[in-house]
Amino acid sequence: AQSVTQPDIHITVSEGASLELRCNYSYGATPYLFWYVQSPGQGLQLLLKYFSGDTLVQGIKGFEAEFKRSQSSFNLRKPSVHWSDAAEYFCAVAYMYSGGGADGLTFGKGTHLIIQP
Amino acid sequence: DTAVSQTPKYLVTQMGNDKSIKCEQNLGHDTMYWYKQDSKKFLKIMFSYNNKELIINETVPNRFSPKSPDKAHLNLHINSLELGDSAVYFCASSPGGRQPQHFGDGTRLSIL
Repeated sequence: AQSVTQPDIHITVSEGASLELRCNYSYGATPYLFWYVQSPGQGLQLLLKYFSGDTLVQGIKGFEAEFKRSQSSFNLRKPSVHWSDAAEYFCAVAYMYSGGGADGLTFGKGTHLIIQP
Repeated sequence: DTAVSQTPKYLVTQMGNDKSIKCEQNLGHDTMYWYKQDSKKFLKIMFSYNNKELIINETVPNRFSPKSPDKAHLNLHINSLELGDSAVYFCASSPGGRQPQHFGDGTRLSIL
């Protein structure tokens, strides 16, 4: 079965500093990977996705992520964080149901990002 | 226009009651989902509907039943509510085939 690990439960970063959130996945076929962000009291917003091709993908709000097959990783980065980036970040892998009819997402447990002034 | 909308946003009720949460999407997607987010923020898929057919049921108690009157709607009915059902429930939709899912804002269910 597929799985996603986000090893950092909390990360604190100073405003303007760079950010890297770690994600490792386990999936038996070509992974479709996603990063979502959840602000307090809100739903999940898609930041970026990786399906195939270029291993460095660009997303919204200045985020990027790099897919490394050899390390089974899909880490999220941002060069300079803003106070508004404080939120919960989820890495996810999409899988196909064994019958092939539909799909679902398996999420990591999330990383809570705190921004210091 | 809101792409995926859920109602109500908050639901407070007592143990043993029956309740429903409604979900509608205006994206023309073929697949809709329900996820449960527990108090530790962990998200787990409950159901997936593809063209009105239930495809996934991830060890969810049979007190939970999804109902899809048409492709744009997937409602969640919960019978005999228990304390452990307290959580935030998210509806989502996608074109299927592992394409990105679009989420609603969630329904916070609190059982007294």
